[in-house]
Amino acid sequence: DIQMTQSPSSLSASVGDRVTITCRASQSISSYLNWYQQKPGKAPKLLIYAASSLQSGVPPRFSGSGSGTDFTLTISSLQPEDFATYYCQHSYTIPVTFGGGTKVEIK
Amino acid sequence: EVQLVESGGGLVQPGGSLRLSCAASGFSFSNSWMYWVRQAPGKGLVWVSRINSEGSTTSYADSVKGRFTISRDNAKNTLYLQMNSLRAEDTAVYYCARGSGNSYRLDYWGQGILVTVSS
Repeated sequence: DIQMTQSPSSLSASVGDRVTITCRASQSISSYLNWYQQKPGKAPKLLIYAASSLQSGVPPRFSGSGSGTDFTLTISSLQPEDFATYYCQHSYTIPVTFGGGTKVEIK
Repeated sequence: EVQLVESGGGLVQPGGSLRLSCAASGFSFSNSWMYWVRQAPGKGLVWVSRINSEGSTTSYADSVKGRFTISRDNAKNTLYLQMNSLRAEDTAVYYCARGSGNSYRLDYWGQGILVTVSS
């Protein structure tokens, strides 16, 4: 199975900060990488697919980049509603696997 | 509006069985691959199972293979997960989710249903 490693596992940031989260795959997955946002008690929400494509309705302050094994999710200017946990997921093959999550907290 | 609504969760003893349902609306269910993903309390997301649009092809995580069965009724727009021989480590919130096209990305999720395996 392909292992997905996210870093950091948590971070503290202020409203307006630029935030970057990293995801590394244990083997090349081309651009088959997706990012999800999950708020407490809620279902995950797809933010970015195919490494850099913005899901419909997602604000453009979210962006993704990378290919092969290394990927990043960037929030250009953190907003109060962005405090949540973010997960990467590869969609290269079955079984799909998720990263361990990055919790973005208020500083 | 796409809606996925899970039901059938609850408390069950180790070794017991439970069947989860996921009622779909707002999209062409019969043309969509569907998934189950679970999340143990305070933990991350784990893929459980997948079924193709016709119901003829299924896949399972090793941790549930031989114990869980995914199925669907396209006439009723409903996805199922039959869970047998339940263990304490199966305790989790179970989400149904829609696959986007033939990709393995999940573009819509249900609200989740809690399954607790305990004596």
